[in-house]
Amino acid sequence: QKEVEQNSGPLSVPEGAIASLNCTYSDRGSQSFFWYRQYSGKSPELIMSIYSNGDKEDGRFTAQLNKASQYVSLLIRDSQPSDSATYLCAVVIYNQGGKLIFGQGTELSVKP
Amino acid sequence: NAGVTQTPKFQVLKTGQSMTLQCAQDMNHNSMYWYRQDPGMGLRLIYYSASEGTTDKGEVPNGYNVSRLNKREFSLRLESAAPSQTSVYFCASSTLGVSNQPQHFGDGTRLSIL
Repeated sequence: QKEVEQNSGPLSVPEGAIASLNCTYSDRGSQSFFWYRQYSGKSPELIMSIYSNGDKEDGRFTAQLNKASQYVSLLIRDSQPSDSATYLCAVVIYNQGGKLIFGQGTELSVKP
Repeated sequence: NAGVTQTPKFQVLKTGQSMTLQCAQDMNHNSMYWYRQDPGMGLRLIYYSASEGTTDKGEVPNGYNVSRLNKREFSLRLESAAPSQTSVYFCASSTLGVSNQPQHFGDGTRLSIL
């Protein structure tokens, strides 16, 4: 089992819809979770971090964490064409000395 | 505000050649990392340095060596380049382990091995 897994894409949603991106992780001791956005040909940029169970909202983005189910998700409300990018889930794996391990990424396409 | 600076941005090598990728950060971060990114594979950790003077292997260390020259600089060396090492390489830095701050990335080095 991979340490961090994301649902395979590409994910296509119409403009204005909610995009839902999912991620599961294997280390029950993990405490820190991040979502990065990566535009084609660019470096990843942090868009959300979450450390506690529940929801964390920042503008149109909501991160959701369920440690019991080892599941973290990212919701993008009112999706815009400018949200089209690859979204990377990343988890700090403490049983490996605190390394940040990335999922394979989900490509999101928002159609006008 | 330079952040994380990687050099070079692009490089083409022949199989068997060696080269060093340079990375420097000006944010006074303790930890530095080297990742490679291949299509459909996300980011895979090659080596990391939790603090000055220490280095550890990541997920895919074979064929690479690293040097943490000082707190600011962390270099990645390919001793004998192979076509399988064609990839985009990202350097990152963070204070992870101290305050859970996430990583800041450089712009990447696009490396092709012929």
